Amino acid sequence: QSALTQPASVSGSPGQSITISCTGTSSDIGAYNHVSWYQQHPGKAPKFMIYGVNNRPSGVSNRFSGSKSGNTASLTISGLQAEDEADYYCSSYTGSNTWAFGGGTKVTVL
Amino acid sequence: QVQLVQSGAEVEKPGASVKISCKASGYTFTSYHMHWVRQAPGQGLEWMGIINPKNGATTYAQPLRGRVTMTRDTSTSTLYMELSSLRSEDTALYYCVKDSSHWSFDYWGQGTLLTVSS
Repeated sequence: QSALTQPASVSGSPGQSITISCTGTSSDIGAYNHVSWYQQHPGKAPKFMIYGVNNRPSGVSNRFSGSKSGNTASLTISGLQAEDEADYYCSSYTGSNTWAFGGGTKVTVL
Repeated sequence: QVQLVQSGAEVEKPGASVKISCKASGYTFTSYHMHWVRQAPGQGLEWMGIINPKNGATTYAQPLRGRVTMTRDTSTSTLYMELSSLRSEDTALYYCVKDSSHWSFDYWGQGTLLTVSS
């Protein structure tokens, strides 16, 4: 399984929109619509934010949205808020009952 | 509500083995696959493997094959993850995670810290 590539950090001011990319290959992100995203605050377990590329679990703010183009998936946070400051991880199914995570992106609210 | 309660922190020496448990409640244990994910200090998430609680079938991440064993006890709704031939690089927070049935991970345990040190 190969790790997915995310930018180390992304920042934005309150109210702005930011986008986090997650680049894989034609064997993972490009092959399946099984991309998910997780938010992790310091010292806490990850929280389930997006599944199936662009679906939000119940209770997740509609300020979070996902998309995919080719081998790259993206998470967009609109109307950025202080509470959105956290680490974000993408994940993709990679076939043969295996999964991979991205390296994580630290979001800073300026 | 879904709860995944893991066993406490462990300290092991290099070369030893460790077995971490995860007790599930709040849902039908055999209806959802379960994963193990680990996170080294200050690092990202690493998928370790998946187990089908109904029949015990497993798939492990390639780098860990031969050292990791995932099992379950359906009578107590408990999962186990055993890691052998421990090395310092195995020092991490280990999470048991419920599969959402959408190729993703919806509920996470609180994590179990494993420290491998001589």
